[in-house]
Amino acid sequence: EAQVTQNPRYLITVTGKKLTVTCSQNMNHEYMSWYRQDPGLGLRQIYYSMNVEVTDKGDVPEGYKVSRKEKRNFPLILESPSPNQTSLYFCASSLRGDTHNQPQHFGDGTRLSIL
Amino acid sequence: SQQGEEDPQALSIQEGENATMNCSYKTSINNLQWYRQNSGRGLVHLILIRSNEREKHSGRLRVTLDTSKKSSSLLITASRAADTASYFCATVYQTGANNLFFGTGTRLTVIP
Repeated sequence: EAQVTQNPRYLITVTGKKLTVTCSQNMNHEYMSWYRQDPGLGLRQIYYSMNVEVTDKGDVPEGYKVSRKEKRNFPLILESPSPNQTSLYFCASSLRGDTHNQPQHFGDGTRLSIL
Repeated sequence: SQQGEEDPQALSIQEGENATMNCSYKTSINNLQWYRQNSGRGLVHLILIRSNEREKHSGRLRVTLDTSKKSSSLLITASRAADTASYFCATVYQTGANNLFFGTGTRLTVIP
């Protein structure tokens, strides 16, 4: 089954403790992206990747890192999490990043609470 | 960053009625997409309309796009309780990567 898989689905942690949210897709997609969703703000893009070893900032990249060493994986790293990063996070992918008119496939989300 | 504005923020209707949601955006687009989100779940792509298209249908969904007004609408006909969800419009710029810029969403409740 074609899917985007995120782990963990839920995480409660404390300020400053490094964490990684994994994202994996099995559709051989070139483009992957991370979003955060906050009440009243919709979804905002954090980082995106056009292909392996190619990443770029979205609208709200501060406090986050990403890497794209393999095509299928696009982990989101919070080196020193803070309470304002408490949010619902989504990973998404599409076949190409340089071609428009392609829908994105979303994971089920990761709910992070940082105390 | 560009984000769409959606109207209304919340909508409650009876099963069988039609639901209309509107989306406005700010700059020129390549396409506009509608996504659905069930509570606590990921977004599911519903329909994509290109900037040179004015109307598109998919099952009970009808999407219109007016680029002169920078607005779009999503019509769900003969609604069902299972249509209860949040609906988001998202735009893609004419140039650059296939990045989505989302509106704030409309929360639809269909009462059985």
